[in-house]
Formats: sequence, C-alpha cells, structure tokens
Amino acid sequence: GENVEQHPSTLSVQEGDSAVIKCTYSDSASNYFPWYKQELGKRPQLIIDIRSNVGEKKDQRIAVTLNKTAKHFSLHITETQPEDSAVYFCAATGSARQLTFGSGTQLTVLP
Amino acid sequence: GAVVSQHPSWVICKSGTSVKIECRSLDFQATTMFWYRQFPKQSLMLMATSNEGSKATYEQGVEKDKFLINHASLTLSTLTVTSAHPEDSSFYICSAIVRAYEQYFGPGTRLTVT
Repeated sequence: GENVEQHPSTLSVQEGDSAVIKCTYSDSASNYFPWYKQELGKRPQLIIDIRSNVGEKKDQRIAVTLNKTAKHFSLHITETQPEDSAVYFCAATGSARQLTFGSGTQLTVLP
Repeated sequence: GAVVSQHPSWVICKSGTSVKIECRSLDFQATTMFWYRQFPKQSLMLMATSNEGSKATYEQGVEKDKFLINHASLTLSTLTVTSAHPEDSSFYICSAIVRAYEQYFGPGTRLTVT
C-alpha cells in the first residue's frame, strides 16, 4: 500500500518568514495530493491540493510543488502569521480515492 | 462549500457498551465515505471505506466485527463501536468525497471509554 513520509515533525519560524514542509510517497499510481491544516480538537481543513498532471499550484501565500519522478511534494507558506500555527498533514490518494496521511508537522509561528 | 456533519461531537461510555456515531453529508450525496481514527498527537489512520448500498471495506488490522459500518443512504454513514474498551478511546472522523478526489471532513467525535 501507499506510504507517505513527512518532514519535519516540528517547525518554528519567525512571523513573516517562510515555512516549507516536505513529503514523499511510495505509490507511483497516486495522483492527487492534498494538504490539510488541523487545529487542536478540530477537523482537518483542506488548504491546497495538486493533481499529478501539474507541477506547481499557488493560492495567495500558500503554494505546493510536485515532483512525480522523485515522488515528493512540498508545501510552501510565505509571510507566515501567528494564525498559521497548527498541525499540517500531507496526503496522497490511492486508486480507491482513500487518503494516506503523512505523520504531520506542528508549525509554530513566533510573533 | 460542502458540509459534513457528525453526531455526537463527544461521548463517554462505559467499557463493554456500544456507541454509534453518525456521519451525514448535508448538501450533497456521498456514495463513498471514509472513517478515520486519530489518537492524540498522531496522524489520521484510515479505518474503512463506506460505500452506499454495499459492505464496507476495512483496512488491515481493523476488526470489522468490532467497528460496524452501515451506509444505508446517500447522505448517512454510521460507525458503531461494539463492546468498547478504553483502548478504543480516540477521535473518530468521517469524510466524504465531494468532487472527483476532494474530501471534506466531519467535525469529529471524541470517544472516551471508561
């Protein structure tokens, strides 16, 4: 089955700096890669996603890049703000559209 | 946007009893829903795929006789934790596919077994 690895597990940045979270996946058939933000005790919220036929996607301060050859994808957050502090999960979708999640990254933005 | 609800949001039960959790798609029809479990400070782990009108597909290691899933309509899937034990205490979250691959999650149910 699919295996998704995520790094780093914790990340602290100064407000205004950029944050980068990286994930690798194992199943070359995976074709959809979402990123979720989860605040304590709440549901994961989709913040950005990318399909396998696209190399990069951007939405305001958030961007995702995908390298299918290397089987890795990354989340980039620019101009970080304290409200960006949360746990971020990457995921990959298998043939049955089920999600396999990475282990999560606790992002802390220091004011 | 698409809305997925869950009920109850939290439940406390005694060891050996059963608990039912409901997952509803409020403004769309969901032929496929997923059930996840999340332990504190861990990631979401897929438990099973719930398909409307057919049997659920369970992930390896998930006991289908303990975690009963029923998807009787296009807007409702239920998860029943039977003979619950303290180790079943967790955050249970459902999701539904909205478009092609995009999944929206319910708010989750915090289960505590005493």
